[in-house]
Amino acid sequence: GAGVSQSPSNKVTEKGKDVELRCDPISGHTALYWYRQSLGQGLEFLIYFQGNSAPDKSGLPSDRFSAERTGGSVSTLTIQRTQQEDSAVYLCASSLGQGALNEQYFGPGTRLTVT
Amino acid sequence: AQTVTQSQPEMSVQEAETVTLSCTYDTSENNYYLFWYKQPPSRQMILVIRQEAYKQQNATENRFSVNFQKAAKSFSLKISDSQLGDTAMYFCACGSNSGYALNFGKGTSLLVTP
Repeated sequence: GAGVSQSPSNKVTEKGKDVELRCDPISGHTALYWYRQSLGQGLEFLIYFQGNSAPDKSGLPSDRFSAERTGGSVSTLTIQRTQQEDSAVYLCASSLGQGALNEQYFGPGTRLTVT
Repeated sequence: AQTVTQSQPEMSVQEAETVTLSCTYDTSENNYYLFWYKQPPSRQMILVIRQEAYKQQNATENRFSVNFQKAAKSFSLKISDSQLGDTAMYFCACGSNSGYALNFGKGTSLLVTP
């Protein structure tokens, strides 16, 4: 079956511009995660959606970052007024439910470059 | 809170040889899981192997096996009969059933040479 897909694959933007990154999770997966992978670093948790519950935004680094998930499926991560330190690979993952018992399946990521 | 440490930024191994990647972790959870993910240049994170902390037996998946030392909070990955396709970044991660986000180490870049 289809895996997690993300678009665009690569995005180059100028400092100060807004960007939107999209994630299509695996059908039927109620849990969706966004992670950020900066150069030479591991993955940093950003935000978590579970079904219709309020998302956990505790990992968002600043109020310039926001995310939504429409209809319990597609998610969009928005970064406003991008800064050079926002340059990273943004990875989306989905799983059948909450908890490490449920395997997280990752998308191929969006590489964001802020010039 | 959980922390994961990978102390080997880069490693190299010859094809058909065995290599071990190190990982240590810290957690206050009793019910947790440990993972090794592989990230090739395509950026796709692929689950290699998973260990449930309450299981004493070390997990194995074909050429991949772990050495789980719970008291020492150590979780190393052994790759036997290394293949060129094993070249990738390898990330160790920890997660609990009471939470959701996985906590990742900074990764080990593994190069398999002919």
